[in-house]
Amino acid sequence: SYELTQPPSVSVSPGQTASITCSGDTLGNKYACWYLQKPGQSPVLVIYQDNKRPSGIPERFSGSKSGNTATLTISGTQAMDEADYYCQAWDSSTYYVFGTGTKVTVL
Amino acid sequence: QVQLQESGPGLVTPSGTLSLTCGVSGGSISTSNWWSWVRQPPGKGLEWIGEIYHGGTATYNPSLKSRVTMSVARSKDQFSLRLNSVTAADTAVYYCARVSVAGIPFFDYWGQGTLVTVSS
Repeated sequence: SYELTQPPSVSVSPGQTASITCSGDTLGNKYACWYLQKPGQSPVLVIYQDNKRPSGIPERFSGSKSGNTATLTISGTQAMDEADYYCQAWDSSTYYVFGTGTKVTVL
Repeated sequence: QVQLQESGPGLVTPSGTLSLTCGVSGGSISTSNWWSWVRQPPGKGLEWIGEIYHGGTATYNPSLKSRVTMSVARSKDQFSLRLNSVTAADTAVYYCARVSVAGIPFFDYWGQGTLVTVSS
């Protein structure tokens, strides 16, 4: 089965930049999106189609992809950004696959 | 603003059937969107279960396909999930979600989730 691998945890100081990676075979041929999930809450879409930001999502969230690795970058990280982050990809054979998830801690 | 709300029993006995319904408000289920179920075991990651179109066509996660059935009630703007032969491994928060029509599929609206525990 298809897998997307993320680092289990990322720590960042307030105001600094956090980068979360998502790697998977042939991810370069798919679009990636990203969700944040705070404890006890539903996931919220923050990036779609690799680098597009939905309305209402702060500009400090950005996405990129190089080869088979997608990256979510949080610039000027705030305490409110502390959450679990999941990448997700889709194709017609594997359907929807989520990454393993990354816990972002703002120290 | 579309809103989704899951409903159903919070406790299911082992080997029984899990049944959940998702109500869609602020919009119609009879749009170009597909409608999905996603689950999350306690302390673990997200897993896609399946999706359904308002016409009734459904696609399921191959790992769950033999146990899953989804249906839609267009007149009520609802869609439903049935998962049979459940075990403790099916204990999870179950979310319903809308699949965006903006090109490549992703989930743009989510319900608040409902915890279903499988236990005797």
